[in-house]
Amino acid sequence: GENVEQHPSTLSVQEGDSAVIKCTYSDSASNYFPWYKQELGKGPQLIIDIRSNVGEKKDQRIAVTLNKTAKHFSLHITETQPEDSAVYFCAEGVKRGGSNYKLTFGKGTLLTVNP
Amino acid sequence: SAVISQKPSRDICQRGTSLTIQCQVDSQVTMMFWYRQQPGQSLTLIATANQGSEATYESGFVIDKFPISRPNLTFSTLTVSNMSPEDSSIYLCSVAMAELFLNTEAFFGQGTRLTVV
Repeated sequence: GENVEQHPSTLSVQEGDSAVIKCTYSDSASNYFPWYKQELGKGPQLIIDIRSNVGEKKDQRIAVTLNKTAKHFSLHITETQPEDSAVYFCAEGVKRGGSNYKLTFGKGTLLTVNP
Repeated sequence: SAVISQKPSRDICQRGTSLTIQCQVDSQVTMMFWYRQQPGQSLTLIATANQGSEATYESGFVIDKFPISRPNLTFSTLTVSNMSPEDSSIYLCSVAMAELFLNTEAFFGQGTRLTVV
């Protein structure tokens, strides 16, 4: 079954530093790995995703790496800014047949960027 | 991208009553999902509602407690029935256009914050 472990649960960095959040998953059939940012009182917003046919993807200050052998993927945020402060969720996605898909989320990381 | 409108945004309800949450999307979507997020916690999938088929419920969630409607490609409702304080949570609607994990992403609404007293 699906299970995602996310670490750390809280992360505090100084503005300009990098932040790294790591996730491991259990279902070898998973082939989609999105990262969501959730600000207080709002719904999750996708910030980057990676599919199992690539090992790394970058979008400006945000990058994600995937190691399918180790069932491990990570979010990297460089040059952090106070507006990056939020809760970040990783997820694993699996197709269960037909049009039946499921995202299983990690427990989240509260990132605080101190000015 | 998809713009999702969830109503109500928040509500305080008496135990034993039911609340229906609406999810309206500005474009036709294949898949709609309902999640529960307890305060400070992660997102847990309640059910998947694809138009033209019965909703598929995850382990621990049953249709009698969380009936779902999906009358068309832009709208769905989730009802929380016979509520108890343990149902206090944020309920989130999520949508995806087509082959979710091949070439598209899942979008989320702002959520409905439910408090049962």
